[in-house]
Amino acid sequence: AQSVSQHNHHVILSEAASLELGCNYSYGGTVNLFWYVQYPGQHLQLLLKYFSGDPLVKGIKGFEAEFIKSKFSFNLRKPSVQWSDTAEYFCAVKEGAGTALIFGKGTTLSVSS
Amino acid sequence: GAGVSQSPSNKVTEKGKDVELRCDPISGHTALYWYRQSLGQGLEFLIYFQGNSAPDKSGLPSDRFSAERTGGSVSTLTIQRTQQEDSAVYLCASSLAGGRSTDTQYFGPGTRLTVL
Repeated sequence: AQSVSQHNHHVILSEAASLELGCNYSYGGTVNLFWYVQYPGQHLQLLLKYFSGDPLVKGIKGFEAEFIKSKFSFNLRKPSVQWSDTAEYFCAVKEGAGTALIFGKGTTLSVSS
Repeated sequence: GAGVSQSPSNKVTEKGKDVELRCDPISGHTALYWYRQSLGQGLEFLIYFQGNSAPDKSGLPSDRFSAERTGGSVSTLTIQRTQQEDSAVYLCASSLAGGRSTDTQYFGPGTRLTVL
């Protein structure tokens, strides 16, 4: 069965530090890749997505992610985090011809000011 | 425009009771999904509706779970004879056209179900 692994369960950073959250998936075929974010008390929001083309995708709030097919990875990055980035981040994969999203277990990011 | 809405936002019930959770998708979205978010399990797919096609029920954990979608819009997730392990946040998502590979799902705020 396909699976998504997020390597970090909880990341703690100071403001202005750089962020990289790892995401690996197990499916070998065509995939669509997503990062969702859940701010405290809010619902899941789409951060960015990759379907095809340029493997470096940019999302909202200065986030970006790079799809590396050979490594089955889709890591999320931000050069300088802010306190408002404190949230839970979910990586998700959808098979090219499939329907349901397969989620990783999430990474909690805590940013101290 | 309005996003996906779900009701109730919170539901507390006693073990053995039936519950119904409602989802109103984004207007014009033909695809609707139910997921469950629970501690230790993350986000799990439950069921998917696309237009008038038969739903994909492959994620439903037991026959106590069922869902319907009336008129291609509102959906109701029903859990019969609730158990404590059913306690979770139930999320609904909708998308413009689920059959397309470039489809994007948008999530509602969820219903937090607590089974005592």
